[in-house]
Amino acid sequence: EIVLTQSPGTLSLSPGERATLSCRASQSVSSSYLAWYQQKPGQAPRLLIYGASSRATGIPDRFSGSGSGTDFTLTISRLEPEDFAVYYCQQYGSSPRWTFGQGTKVEIK
Amino acid sequence: EVQLVESGGGLVQPGGSLRLSCAASGFMFSSYSMNWVRQAPGKGLEWVSYISSSSSGIYYADSVKGRFTISRDNAKNSLDLQMNSLRDEDTAVYYCAREDITRIEHWGQGTLVTVSS
Repeated sequence: EIVLTQSPGTLSLSPGERATLSCRASQSVSSSYLAWYQQKPGQAPRLLIYGASSRATGIPDRFSGSGSGTDFTLTISRLEPEDFAVYYCQQYGSSPRWTFGQGTKVEIK
Repeated sequence: EVQLVESGGGLVQPGGSLRLSCAASGFMFSSYSMNWVRQAPGKGLEWVSYISSSSSGIYYADSVKGRFTISRDNAKNSLDLQMNSLRDEDTAVYYCAREDITRIEHWGQGTLVTVSS
């Protein structure tokens, strides 16, 4: 079973700053199978990035994803007030079907 | 517009049972695999169960195997999760989620299940 470890646990930044979130897999993951989600309190997760680097429909271009193998990154180029939330990476596999990282909280400094 | 609406959550005692439902609309339900994903209070996301479009493929997380049963009715555009032998650790918001090959683009709003005496 692949384990996804996200770092840092919490990122304290100011609006306008750049956010860099990391997701490390315990073994190599196909880039096609790595996605990122944003979740705000009381809401369902929202797909941001799939295939490691493709933006989902309607996602602003300040969000970008990169990486391969065991190391993946979500970058928010300039934080907007609505970007403060929890972010999860996710891997699509066979057993279990879906694996999530533990999440990174981006909070206002 | 794709809509997934969960129902059936509530308070149940340990050892009890509950049946969750998800009503789907706005897309060809019979063409998509579906999943249940849960989130314990203040915790991260945990995949629970998967069912293929024709119900020929069904998988469960180890944590619920033997206790939960996923099913679907393509004629009624509905997805169910029968939960038996519930434990305190099953307390969570349960999301219905449409699988789009290697990602989940559409989620329901969730339904809260609380297991407590």
